[in-house]
Amino acid sequence: KAGVTQTPRYLIKTRGQQVTLSCSPISGHRSVSWYQQTPGQGLQFLFEYFSETQRNKGNFPGRFSGRQFSNSRSEMNVSTLELGDSALYLCASTEGIGYTFGSGTRLTVV
Amino acid sequence: GDSVTQMEGPVTLSEEAFLTINCTYTATGYPSLFWYVQYPGEGLQLLLKATKADDKGSNKGFEATYRKETTSFHLEKGSVQVSDSAVYFCALRESNNNDMRFGAGTRLTVKP
Repeated sequence: KAGVTQTPRYLIKTRGQQVTLSCSPISGHRSVSWYQQTPGQGLQFLFEYFSETQRNKGNFPGRFSGRQFSNSRSEMNVSTLELGDSALYLCASTEGIGYTFGSGTRLTVV
Repeated sequence: GDSVTQMEGPVTLSEEAFLTINCTYTATGYPSLFWYVQYPGEGLQLLLKATKADDKGSNKGFEATYRKETTSFHLEKGSVQVSDSAVYFCALRESNNNDMRFGAGTRLTVKP
C-alpha cells in the first residue's frame, strides 16, 4: 500500500509570508503527527491529530497550526514566517505502535 | 518528562566492523522503544522496535534489547556495510501518549 505522502518536497518562502504543507497518511491510519527537524534542535514534536481533532501539541508558537480532514489528510500552516522556521517538516501516521514517516517537506525561508 | 539520550556522533567505522550505538531513556511509565534510520534527503524509517522489558527487536542484522533495569535500548550490528551509513534515532512512546520522543540522532559513516 502507498506510504505517507508529503507535498511539496521543497519550498522557498520569504520572511513574513505564510505556508501550508500537506500530508496524506497511509490508508486507514487515523493519527497524523508533525515534526520539525533542524540541525540544531533535532526532531521536535509539533502536534498530533486523530480523527480530525488535535490530540497533542508541542511547544511551538501559535504561528504554527494544523488541521485534519475527514479523510485523515492533514495540513500544517505556518504564518508570518521567520528565518528560524527553515527546517525539514516531517509527517508521520500510525494506527498502532510505530510511526511511518513521509519524506518530508524542506522549507527554506529567505 | 520522558526523554531519550543517545551517544553523540559522528561514528565512523570500517566495513565489517561491530557497531554499538548507546541509547538510554527516562520515562514515568512503560514505554515502547524504537530505532529509526534516516538516509540523506529522506524521512525516518522504522528499523526495529520493542514494546516491553526484555523484548529484542531485530531487522536487517540490527538488534536492540529493551533493558528495564538499565533503562537502555542499545543498537548493535555485528558487521556494518557502507550502505548502513545514515543517521540513527532512538525513540520512545508511552502507552498513554502518542507523542514520540526522539534522541538527538547519531550519524554513522561506514568506510570501505
